[in-house]
Amino acid sequence: DIQMTQSPSSVSASVGDRVTITCRASQGISSWLAWYQQKPGKAPKLLIYAASSLQSGVPSRFSGSGSGTDFTLTISSLQPEDFATYYCQQANSFPHTFGQGTKLEIK
Amino acid sequence: QVQLQQWGAGLLKPSETLSLTCAVYGGSFSGYYWSWIRQPPGKGLEWIGEINHSGSTNYNPSLKSRVTISVDTSKNQFSLKLSSVTAADTAVYYCASKQYYDILPRGWFDPWGQGTLVTVSS
Repeated sequence: DIQMTQSPSSVSASVGDRVTITCRASQGISSWLAWYQQKPGKAPKLLIYAASSLQSGVPSRFSGSGSGTDFTLTISSLQPEDFATYYCQQANSFPHTFGQGTKLEIK
Repeated sequence: QVQLQQWGAGLLKPSETLSLTCAVYGGSFSGYYWSWIRQPPGKGLEWIGEINHSGSTNYNPSLKSRVTISVDTSKNQFSLKLSSVTAADTAVYYCASKQYYDILPRGWFDPWGQGTLVTVSS
């Protein structure tokens, strides 16, 4: 199985801050990576697919980059509704696997 | 726009079989893989498996011996059965749609169902 490792596991930030979350795959996955946002008690929501493509309806302050084994999710200017847990997911091979999550908290 | 609605029993005893169903509304049933994903309380996400409209399946090897995913194209529904459950199977179970891009099939999950908490306890 491909292991997905996110860092940090949690981060505190303020409204207006720029935040970057990293995801590393245990082997190369090209651009077969997605990012999800999950709020408490809710299902995950797709934000970014193919490493850098913004899902329809997702604000442009979210962006993704990377290929191979190293990927980043950047939120350019945090808004109150962005405080949530973020997961990466590799779609390169079976079984599809997720990172352990990064909890974004209000400072 | 596709919407998913899921249901099933929320409380099971050890050794029983978990059974959940997910209905697909508002979109094509073919052209996607229909997936199950679970999340233990306070933990991360685990992909369980998937099926397409013709019944082709892919399973997580860690669960494969206990999992059956089936499809009912007449009702635009798909179902999950997980046998011989233990407390370790306690989780929120989600159904999700996977649009895929190649023969593997590779893709991402969107949208997701609302989730069903399944608790295994004696």
